Amino acid sequence: QKEVEQNSGPLSVPEGAIASLNCTYSDRGSQSFFWYRQYSGKSPELIMSIYSNGDKEDGRFTAQLNKASQYVSLLIRDSQPSDSATYLCAVHSSNTGKLIFGQGTTLQVKP
Amino acid sequence: GAGVSQSPSNKVTEKGKDVELRCDPISGHTALYWYRQRLGQGLEFLIYFQGNSAPDKSGLPSDRFSAERTGESVSTLTIQRTQQEDSAVYLCASSLVGGPGEKLFFGSGTQLSVL
Repeated sequence: QKEVEQNSGPLSVPEGAIASLNCTYSDRGSQSFFWYRQYSGKSPELIMSIYSNGDKEDGRFTAQLNKASQYVSLLIRDSQPSDSATYLCAVHSSNTGKLIFGQGTTLQVKP
Repeated sequence: GAGVSQSPSNKVTEKGKDVELRCDPISGHTALYWYRQRLGQGLEFLIYFQGNSAPDKSGLPSDRFSAERTGESVSTLTIQRTQQEDSAVYLCASSLVGGPGEKLFFGSGTQLSVL
């Protein structure tokens, strides 16, 4: 079992729709969870972090965490073509100090 | 510097040659990470430095890979006797103290192509 799993996609949504990206992780000791966005040919950049169960909103982005289910998600409201990118889920293990990334989900927002 | 700097940005080498990749983290950042990203894939953890020490080397794919960091600054990733499967983008990132909630700042990566 991979430590962090994501559906590779591509996930295709029309402009203005809600995009839902999902991630599961295996290390129950994990305390910190992140979503990075990576445009093609570019380096990842942090867009959201979440540490407690529940929802965290920042503009059009909402991160959701459920530690009991070992599940974290990212919702993008009013999706724009500029949101088209690969979204990487990352989980920090407090045991090892490693930040482990999933394989990423490619999002395509069609005008 | 203002950001994480990696060099070279591109490296083409022949199978069997050794290569050395360099990373200059953000000044004052004590934690430094190396990741490998194959085409269309996610980030594969290689090694993590806290200061000059590497508490976790478990991600290094084989004994052909080694890394060091000096002066709590520059890090080099060395790949000996390169193989075609080593072709990938090698990303370096740094963070202030390596704490669990910290944001990682990534460099632009080194694109390694092994012919």
